[in-house]
Amino acid sequence: EVQLVQSGAEVKKPGESLKISCKGSGYNFSSYWIGWVRQTPGKGLEWMGIVYPGDSDTRYSPSFQGQVTISADKSISTAYLQWNSLKASDTAMYYCARGKWFDPWGQGTLVTVSS
Amino acid sequence: DIQMTQSPSSLSASVGDRVTITCRASQAITNYLAWYQQKPGKPPNLLIYGASTLQSGVPSRFSGSGSGTDFTLTISSLQPEDVATYYCQKYNSVPWTFGQGTKVEIK
Repeated sequence: EVQLVQSGAEVKKPGESLKISCKGSGYNFSSYWIGWVRQTPGKGLEWMGIVYPGDSDTRYSPSFQGQVTISADKSISTAYLQWNSLKASDTAMYYCARGKWFDPWGQGTLVTVSS
Repeated sequence: DIQMTQSPSSLSASVGDRVTITCRASQAITNYLAWYQQKPGKPPNLLIYGASTLQSGVPSRFSGSGSGTDFTLTISSLQPEDVATYYCQKYNSVPWTFGQGTKVEIK
């Protein structure tokens, strides 16, 4: 079974750093794009960016370029989404998903940023 | 960047009704379009890719059509379990933008 399992919920203070993960299994992790999607409470889906684990090629949405870092370690079939300095506005659910048409999706990681 | 606009933003229909959701791209994207269903508290679920290819396991009452700039998702006979928010997404070039979503409810 193809599966993406994300790391658990996080509660952070503004200015702190954070790295969340997405581990793939059941397929050749190196051969599919992994994307990250943000969903704020009661809002829609925002495409943040993608990484191709095979060669670490990374693309960002202009809205998120410079705000986050997307990476992958194909040796452990894991993709990452990282912030250097969180803001309250980063509070959201974050999903990873596989491929160009996203399937499957991870279960989501809730990130709460509050002082 | 190409913008994706869905209509309507929400709709209410009776069980058994035919429901149509529209997604319009601000520039042509050939058939690089996917549709997702998201139920409350759950991640989205792929319904259709390539504008009209039904993902394995998705009920046949769901169908997609269109190419270029105009696309539709049709539910041929609305069922109570179809209550959800539906999103389109383009993937021809980055950014792979989502539409703003259409919330479907039962009347």
